[in-house]
Amino acid sequence: GIQVEQSPPDLILQEGANSTLRCNFSDSVNNLQWFHQNPWGQLINLFYIPSGTKQNGRLSATTVATERYSLLYISSSQTTDSGVYFCAVNSGGYQKVTFGIGTKLQVIP
Amino acid sequence: ETGVTQSPTHLIKTRGQQVTLRCSSQSGHNTVSWYQQALGQGPQFIFQYYREEENGRGNFPPRFSGLQFPNYSSELNVNALELDDSALYLCASSLGERTGAYEQYFGPGTRLTVT
Repeated sequence: GIQVEQSPPDLILQEGANSTLRCNFSDSVNNLQWFHQNPWGQLINLFYIPSGTKQNGRLSATTVATERYSLLYISSSQTTDSGVYFCAVNSGGYQKVTFGIGTKLQVIP
Repeated sequence: ETGVTQSPTHLIKTRGQQVTLRCSSQSGHNTVSWYQQALGQGPQFIFQYYREEENGRGNFPPRFSGLQFPNYSSELNVNALELDDSALYLCASSLGERTGAYEQYFGPGTRLTVT
């Protein structure tokens, strides 16, 4: 099945700093989503982005499907950005969604 | 618009028992997927239901089973619980067709502890 790798696994930022999270996948995808999991376990939708670039406030994402990677940019980070960021993909006609292991982000004041 | 809800929020069971977890999909959605998330791991796909029929399954044994009802709500049943079944169980709903890939929206999860 498709493999999803996320990097870095852990990231500590000073409040106000910028960061880039990366998601590599091993096969072509029909769907790619970025999620933020808060400390209570809730997965919050950030982007649905099988290709192209999207922006939402301080967050933006780019997926280059032909090169099998996606990037999540966080600018001017805030302590509320702390948590785990997951990339999840769907490949082929099968409904299975495969998650990466996540990037654990800690933003310190 | 009502989001995805799950019940119960927490549950403690003994090894060998059976458990039923419930999920109400977001209003207007016809597809429900279930995931298991062990501590420190990403969610793992269990199975998906589309219009009351199973529409894909991950690498989970048959003691994990499910149902989807005409109102598109869903149940996850786990028989003969094992200690390794302790995890956060997440439900996600989406609107789409049997094939293809669509944006999923997750519920808050049910945290199951097996002792």
